[in-house]
Amino acid sequence: GENVEQHPSTLSVQEGDSAVIKCTYSDSASNYFPWYKQELGKRPQLIIDIRSNVGEKKDQRIAVTLNKTAKHFSLHITETQPEDSAVYFCAAYSGSARQLTFGSGTQLTVLP
Amino acid sequence: AAGVIQSPRHLIKEKRETATLKCYPIPRHDTVYWYQQGPGQDPQFLISFYEKMQSDKGSIPDRFSAQQFSDYHSELNMSSLELGDSALYFCASSLGAGTSNIEQYFGPGTRLTVT
Repeated sequence: GENVEQHPSTLSVQEGDSAVIKCTYSDSASNYFPWYKQELGKRPQLIIDIRSNVGEKKDQRIAVTLNKTAKHFSLHITETQPEDSAVYFCAAYSGSARQLTFGSGTQLTVLP
Repeated sequence: AAGVIQSPRHLIKEKRETATLKCYPIPRHDTVYWYQQGPGQDPQFLISFYEKMQSDKGSIPDRFSAQQFSDYHSELNMSSLELGDSALYFCASSLGAGTSNIEQYFGPGTRLTVT
């Protein structure tokens, strides 16, 4: 089955700096890669996603890149703000297994 | 915009009891997914339904069962509860289970505590 690894597990940045979270996946059949933001005790919120036919996608301060050959994808947050502090999960959707497999999460702390 | 609704939001049960969690997907969404999230863990896929039929199965214990009804809402039935079943249970919904419409939107979750 699919295995998604996520790094780092914790990340602290100063407000205004950039944050990068990286994930790798194992199943070459995976073709959809969403990122979720989860605040403590709340639901995971879909913040951005990318499909395997696209290399990069940007939405305001958030961007995701995908390297299908290397099987890794990354989340980039620029001009971080304290409200960006949360746990971020990457995930991979395998068309063959038809399920989302999540990474282990990154606790992002933006220091004011 | 309407979101995924889950009930109850909190549930306390004793060991060996049963529990039923309910999920109402976003209107027009025909696919429902159930996830279990333990403290400090990532969501683990349990089971999914597409057009009222079981679509895929993940790490769902045999003590658990689920179904999707004609109005697309889904229920997760949990029997012989164990302490280790204490977790947040999320339901997510999407429009279609193919590769073109697979954005999953999560409900607020049900926090199950087994004592």
